[in-house]
Amino acid sequence: TQLLEQSPQFLSIQEGENLTVYCNSSSVFSSLQWYRQEPGEGPVLLVTVVTGGEVKKLKRLTFQFGDARKDSSLHITAAQPGDTGLYLCAANAGGTSYGKLTFGQGTILTVHP
Amino acid sequence: ETGVTQTPRHLVMGMTNKKSLKCEQHLGHNAMYWYKQSAKKPLELMFVYNFKEQTENNSVPSRFSPECPNSSHLFLHLHTLQPEDSALYLCASSRTSGETQYFGPGTRLLVL
Repeated sequence: TQLLEQSPQFLSIQEGENLTVYCNSSSVFSSLQWYRQEPGEGPVLLVTVVTGGEVKKLKRLTFQFGDARKDSSLHITAAQPGDTGLYLCAANAGGTSYGKLTFGQGTILTVHP
Repeated sequence: ETGVTQTPRHLVMGMTNKKSLKCEQHLGHNAMYWYKQSAKKPLELMFVYNFKEQTENNSVPSRFSPECPNSSHLFLHLHTLQPEDSALYLCASSRTSGETQYFGPGTRLLVL
């Protein structure tokens, strides 16, 4: 069973600060997704990365896929209260497990005004 | 966002009740999924359907019974559940199995 380790599990910061969330595994993945989930709602897709070393930007969010496709990071610049939520990474192992997403346990981010 | 809808949004049921959760996707996708999200645990995949055929049953107890009558609809029939089955049940869809998944808002289930 592939495991995805997310860190930190909790993050409480002030508006305007920068932060980075990490998603690590010992397994190689064919693709990795980042989702954001608000209380009482389903996860909303932020980005999919597929190429080792790939960097994608979504406004103040920067996503990076490790060169070996085993890890990823999400960096938020100048966080705002609207960024508050649960951030989940999910990976597709490929091969015989193709189609099955493995999820990390999530990072709960709170941005205080 | 109306891509993937789930009903009901909230459900309270006793252990002897029978109820069903419904998921509908309006994205033209061919794969649909049921997940369970419990507090302090990662999302757990329950079932996968690809072109109406079940391709994955992740060792789910038989008190959960999925049904996929067509590529747009997915049901989860519930029977004699246990209190530990209380959780947020999420439906997702993708163009085909293995592609990016899009989630519904979930059904918050409480089993008394």
